[in-house]
Amino acid sequence: DAKTTQPPSMDCAEGRAANLPCNHSTISGNEYVYWYRQIHSQGPQYIIHGLKNNETNEMASLIITEDRKSSTLILPHATLRDTAVYYCIVGYSTLTFGKGTMLLVSP
Amino acid sequence: DAGITQSPRHKVTETGTPVTLRCHQTENHRYMYWYRQDPGHGLRLIHYSYGVKDTDKGEVSDGYSVSRSKTEDFLLTLESATSSQTSVYFCATQGGIGNYGYTFGSGTRLTVV
Repeated sequence: DAKTTQPPSMDCAEGRAANLPCNHSTISGNEYVYWYRQIHSQGPQYIIHGLKNNETNEMASLIITEDRKSSTLILPHATLRDTAVYYCIVGYSTLTFGKGTMLLVSP
Repeated sequence: DAGITQSPRHKVTETGTPVTLRCHQTENHRYMYWYRQDPGHGLRLIHYSYGVKDTDKGEVSDGYSVSRSKTEDFLLTLESATSSQTSVYFCATQGGIGNYGYTFGSGTRLTVV
């Protein structure tokens, strides 16, 4: 699986948009970009995924650059409950998790 | 997630004893995975299955074996537990590959003393 680079930590004020970046410059043509999050010691939670096009669901939006070498996960209105470790992963079948970004949402 | 149940949730066992962790799913997903999570290492893939009786090794498979005799059950066995296998174990399922996300269970916290 291709490797991703994420900032180790980010802060966001409650109610504001959280924009989490991810670099994946060695992504292959058939590999998807997946985002998961893990709250404390719970199991990781699927957020969103995409191949080439931008995607949106009830949790977040995923913006993928045209060359697919980077992406941004957007939480439009962050809440305290969004405090978690966010993982950006590229792959097709088995997925390799990195260390992710610790997002801290503050009042 | 209600569709995936891991058992037991917590277990303490002695070094050298065999241990089996169970992952049960009601999603009828073909693909299943076992990960372990340790501080400083993140989630690492142990074994995975592409269907009944179809399994393969992941990144950290030494000391572990798996079996999948039914679609809904994926068992992870530590033949002779060691202290280095103290970890949190997560099971995940996937409806297909590529255009599908993983669904994770709540985890099993295993302590080997």
